[in-house]
Amino acid sequence: QKEVEQNSGPLSVPEGAIASLNCTYSDRGSQSFFWYRQYSGKSPELIMSIYSNGDKEDGRFTAQLNKASQYVSLLIRDSQPSDSATYLCAVLSSGGSYIPTFGRGTSLIVHP
Amino acid sequence: EPEVTQTPSHQVTQMGQEVILRCVPISNHLYFYWYRQILGQKVEFLVSFYNNEISEKSEIFDDQFSVERPDGSNFTLKIRSTKLEDSAMYFCASRVGQGESRGNTIYFGEGSWLTVV
Repeated sequence: QKEVEQNSGPLSVPEGAIASLNCTYSDRGSQSFFWYRQYSGKSPELIMSIYSNGDKEDGRFTAQLNKASQYVSLLIRDSQPSDSATYLCAVLSSGGSYIPTFGRGTSLIVHP
Repeated sequence: EPEVTQTPSHQVTQMGQEVILRCVPISNHLYFYWYRQILGQKVEFLVSFYNNEISEKSEIFDDQFSVERPDGSNFTLKIRSTKLEDSAMYFCASRVGQGESRGNTIYFGEGSWLTVV
């Protein structure tokens, strides 16, 4: 069973702070990793994808991947109240099955 | 920017009725998916579709579910005899599936809320 684990939260941070969201996965052969943002009642919206070890930055977002530790994280700098949402980690495993497995998501609350 | 479109956005149906949810994937995408999300729970994979046939399905996707690509653009999910526990948001998704890693990114439609009463 391929597992993707996230702390459900809520993670509460003040406006302007850095929010750090974490995700671990069980399939060591996983190749592709995605962070989606989901507002209540809406569909998942892709924020970042990352495929190789290290950091990938896009605006206020930084994804970090450590395949040895089977760990992927998302940092949100200068958090805004509009960032308040559930953040879903999705992992695409090896073996030719292109079915991403989603974590339960971490609820982020950015308070003014 | 191209997007996955879904209809209806919300449907209320009586238990035992058939429901068809429709999706138009992004035009150059080759792989299509249906996911569902019960309120407050995680996004769950139902089925994937490639080259006009099911490529994978989950345990949830039992005999009451079926998918079709009736023409070159639409991709449908049919629930034959709905149950109360089918109430959920159903997401259609697609990906290019070719070329570099970027082809692995799955893009979601806005979802169809299904309420079974």
